Amino acid sequence: KNQVEQSPQSLIILEGKNCTLQCNYTVSPFSNLRWYKQDTGRGPVSLTIMTFSENTKSNGRYTATLDADTKQSSLHITASQLSDSASYICVVSTKRGLTGGGNKLTFGTGTQLKVEL
Amino acid sequence: SQTIHQWPATLVQPVGSPLSLECTVEGTSNPNLYWYRQAAGRGLQLLFYSVGIGQISSEVPQNLSASRPQDRQFILSSKKLLLSDSGFYLCAWSVIVLTGELFFGEGSRLTVL
Repeated sequence: KNQVEQSPQSLIILEGKNCTLQCNYTVSPFSNLRWYKQDTGRGPVSLTIMTFSENTKSNGRYTATLDADTKQSSLHITASQLSDSASYICVVSTKRGLTGGGNKLTFGTGTQLKVEL
Repeated sequence: SQTIHQWPATLVQPVGSPLSLECTVEGTSNPNLYWYRQAAGRGLQLLFYSVGIGQISSEVPQNLSASRPQDRQFILSSKKLLLSDSGFYLCAWSVIVLTGELFFGEGSRLTVL
């Protein structure tokens, strides 16, 4: 069964500090992995996408890593800001089958990050 | 640029009443459209997706239905709401069906009493 597990479930850090969020998956066959940021009461927004051959990708203060061998990804946030307070969702995509159709995205339950003064 | 709108933003409905959530996309043609539900502490659950007008695929059996009467319009409906239908509903669109980047609407918070 395809699964995506994220840790920690929630996290509180002080403004200016760094943090790392984890994502472990058992999705197969793997196509890509995305990190989304979801502000409270809003729709998620994509931060990064990682394909099989990519190890690291940055988007401003966000850096995602992927280890396809261990099926793990992390999202590192540098110099956190109050606006980083949100839920961060890891989403893993499988390759589309020849017949197409079916649910090919598996969502994690998210890590709730709170940045405080 | 592409935009996606969904409404209403919040809705409080009694059990057994009907439901209609509407979503429209602007700035793109023939988008793949999706309805997701997000329950507290759980990952997003795909309810329906559509690759074209009148084409609806259902992922989870339930008392909800979806329709796509126009290219950029996606509607989520129910004839009789259940308490378990409460949740945060998200409409989304993508260029590549089912595996591409999703662009989400602002969400609709449904409370069934």
